[in-house]
Amino acid sequence: DTGVSQDPRHKITKRGQNVTFRCDPISEHNRLYWYRQTLGQGPEFLTYFQNEAQLEKSRLLSDRFSAERPKGSFSTLEIQRTEQGDSAMYLCASSLVSGTDTQYFGPGTRLTVL
Amino acid sequence: GNSVTQMEGPVTLSEEAFLTINCTYTATGYPSLFWYVQYPGEGLQLLLKATKADDKGSNKGFEATYRKETTSFHLEKGSVQVSDSAVYFCALSGDYKLSFGAGTTVTVRA
Repeated sequence: DTGVSQDPRHKITKRGQNVTFRCDPISEHNRLYWYRQTLGQGPEFLTYFQNEAQLEKSRLLSDRFSAERPKGSFSTLEIQRTEQGDSAMYLCASSLVSGTDTQYFGPGTRLTVL
Repeated sequence: GNSVTQMEGPVTLSEEAFLTINCTYTATGYPSLFWYVQYPGEGLQLLLKATKADDKGSNKGFEATYRKETTSFHLEKGSVQVSDSAVYFCALSGDYKLSFGAGTTVTVRA
């Protein structure tokens, strides 16, 4: 039984560089979510997919952020021209469409922008 | 919009003490309510959930009851252990996404 996995676990980059994170959801889950968590705060919703369709994007997701889920399985989150304010933990979660839609989280990718 | 307010921390307790973390929410409709726990260096783990009013979620000795009349979902444990030291997040689901509180850091001393 494999849970949600994320890669890499840690990423250090210089301001202005592009970064890409990957999320592999629980295999039978058709919804996939991205959240961002800054120090001392709860996670904030960024975007979510149902199968390969991106159904909602938060206003937090600036034009420098893009997410894909091309075959309805894994997803990638890319940040272009990173800024120091992008430093955070990026969390991925997945769920199965059902009455409760319980979300299960991965370990996160910690991004540090220097 | 949906929002969650939870008790500010940090909370420091001795082993075997009683723990309560308050959580209240504002939501349209009838959301499901959750408590997640985050251990140091790890991701969020689902601790318990409740899907409708008066439901009680429970797991690992923790309990929380969905109170619609007071819009609350307080977390309780009767006797904490050192291993319960973590950050606890209250959350509600609405429009497919979760809204989280700011988290409460709990430290249990031996």
